[in-house]
Amino acid sequence: ETGVTQTPRHLVMGMTNKKSLKCEQHLGHNAMYWYKQSAKKPLELMFVYNFKEQTENNSVPSRFSPECPNSSHLFLHLHTLQPEDSALYLCASSQGTEGEETQYFGPGTRLLVL
Amino acid sequence: QKEVEQNSGPLSVPEGAIASLNCTYSDRGSQSFFWYRQYSGKSPELIMSIYSNGDKEDGRFTAQLNKASQYVSLLIRDSQPSDSATYLCAADVPMGNQFYFGTGTSLTVIP
Repeated sequence: ETGVTQTPRHLVMGMTNKKSLKCEQHLGHNAMYWYKQSAKKPLELMFVYNFKEQTENNSVPSRFSPECPNSSHLFLHLHTLQPEDSALYLCASSQGTEGEETQYFGPGTRLLVL
Repeated sequence: QKEVEQNSGPLSVPEGAIASLNCTYSDRGSQSFFWYRQYSGKSPELIMSIYSNGDKEDGRFTAQLNKASQYVSLLIRDSQPSDSATYLCAADVPMGNQFYFGTGTSLTVIP
């Protein structure tokens, strides 16, 4: 248990659905991250929030929309996804300060787009 | 050139042997380095972090860092079947709060 939780753990959705992934961290961290991990591919950084401000959008399609209402919560809103978006979506958090970069991952949401 | 490179493996070692995992990085500004273990279908779990040249030991795990040669390694002594996983190497992005991640090395420990 890393102190980072994600819900749901599994999600099946059609291409016309709208759903949201939720991440919560109980570590008092200031930075939160969304990663995508497809089968047999490396981790892909999607978004970074530091002190609730988005500091990185790694050329992610607009059908993925992040939201960070406070330092403890991070959402990823999904709409009109494609089958190739099926992957493991990982949330992570870190202190967000120099010298405290260690990232702790949540359990992930396994997403299947039909 | 990838910022962090790892041999994808698979690496197979017999139970009780030493497993050696290697990683090189290209950004000389990176100062912090991390090894994560990821079991199939699970999320990455932090194993070790290392910031200074030399060795850092934690139980059966030893991380080694050589900044001059820009490589990081992870040694696993007395390997166990439960060590079978993919090991991810990460280096910090200078002046940012992000990581460069390697593609991971798949390790199989054979009973």
